[in-house]
Amino acid sequence: DVVMTQSPLSLPVTLGQPASISCRSSQGLLYSNGYTYLNWLQRRPGQSPRRLIYEVSKRDSGVPDRFSGSGSGTDFTLKISRVEAEDVGVYYCMQGTHWPYTFGQGTKLEIK
Amino acid sequence: EVQLVESGGGLVQPGGSLRLSCAASGFTFSYFWMTWVRQAPGKGLEWVARVDQDGSENYSVDSVKGRFTISRDNAKNSLYLQMNSLRAEDTAVYFCARGGSHSVDVWGRGTTVTVS
Repeated sequence: DVVMTQSPLSLPVTLGQPASISCRSSQGLLYSNGYTYLNWLQRRPGQSPRRLIYEVSKRDSGVPDRFSGSGSGTDFTLKISRVEAEDVGVYYCMQGTHWPYTFGQGTKLEIK
Repeated sequence: EVQLVESGGGLVQPGGSLRLSCAASGFTFSYFWMTWVRQAPGKGLEWVARVDQDGSENYSVDSVKGRFTISRDNAKNSLYLQMNSLRAEDTAVYFCARGGSHSVDVWGRGTTVTVS
């Protein structure tokens, strides 16, 4: 199975400051059709997960543009340009290229 | 509004069975792959199984193969997970999610399964 490794696992951030989460896969995520199926999910406290980003950098409807995704191959990054209070929660990367699809361990973002 | 509502969780003894259901609303259910994902206490998210739009294609992870069966009823806008020969390590919150061909976008709130 493809192992997804996130860092850091804990991310204290000051309100208004940027934040960055790294995700590394044990195999390349480029699919045979040319797409790279790397997703980012957010799980706020007490809520179910919500997809923020798909295919590395495409934002889901309703996701603020302060969230951005980038990367290729085996290295990917989620960036939040200016952290707001509502961004507190756990962030997961997830690969949808190789079955079984797998998740990173999660990065807990908190406000300093 | 797109909604997924899981039900059917509970406490079951090792070796027992449970059937989870997921009621979908707010979208054309038959157009989408559907998926079950679980999260054991203190652990990360794990894909369990996925099924294509008409139920003809389904995939499950090795840890549940031969024990869990994913299915759907498009006439009832419902997704199911039949879980047999349950083990302590199957204890988790089970989420129903829309999608399953490379990604999922909408998730339900989950239903808790405890095997003890």
